[in-house]
Amino acid sequence: GESVGLHLPTLSVQEGDNSIINCAYSNSASDYFIWYKQESGKGPQFIIDIRSNMDKRQGQRVTVLLNKTVKHLSLQIAATQPGDSAVYFCAENIVKFGNEKLTFGTGTRLTIIP
Amino acid sequence: GAGVSQSPRYKVAKRGQDVALRCDPISGHVSLFWYQQALGQGPEFLTYFQNEAQLDKSGLPSDRFFAERPEGSVSTLKIQRTQQEDSAVYLCASSLVSYEQYFGPGTRLTVT
Repeated sequence: GESVGLHLPTLSVQEGDNSIINCAYSNSASDYFIWYKQESGKGPQFIIDIRSNMDKRQGQRVTVLLNKTVKHLSLQIAATQPGDSAVYFCAENIVKFGNEKLTFGTGTRLTIIP
Repeated sequence: GAGVSQSPRYKVAKRGQDVALRCDPISGHVSLFWYQQALGQGPEFLTYFQNEAQLDKSGLPSDRFFAERPEGSVSTLKIQRTQQEDSAVYLCASSLVSYEQYFGPGTRLTVT
């Protein structure tokens, strides 16, 4: 069935460095891809999304890249800070009445080393 | 403004007990979702409401799980005759636009 998976379960990055979190997906019909950040004891927090007809989208310190040819999604975080330590999930969404659910990957734990 | 709230935050139930988990979505959000998150895993979809209509319940794992949203605002997820495999964090999310879902803190259910 459809799935969204991640290449690496853990990632450690020195504070101030850039980090890249990768995600592979299998459903070509997805309309949107979204990155969520989840801190311990909290619900997932929306970071940034990208529509399937885009290749790149930038936010504040974050950039999402979408490569539809190889079905690959990445999240780049610039100048990482201690507050960036969390688990990051990619998720996909098919915009269709009656099927609005998000399908999440397993997650990557990002640890920022001071 | 207020975000999505869930109660209780923690629930311990003995196997076989019934539990009810409450979700208060962001005011005005039409869509409401329930997800189940096992330890170390990503959230998995359970069910989806648009206003009071339950449009998708394909993720509910068994007929012991039931969700309602009678007035199109607050929602309750009920689990009957809880089993150990029901232990997880239950997340509620609401949205105006389906892919931009705002999550509550979750209810951690432990079945002993």
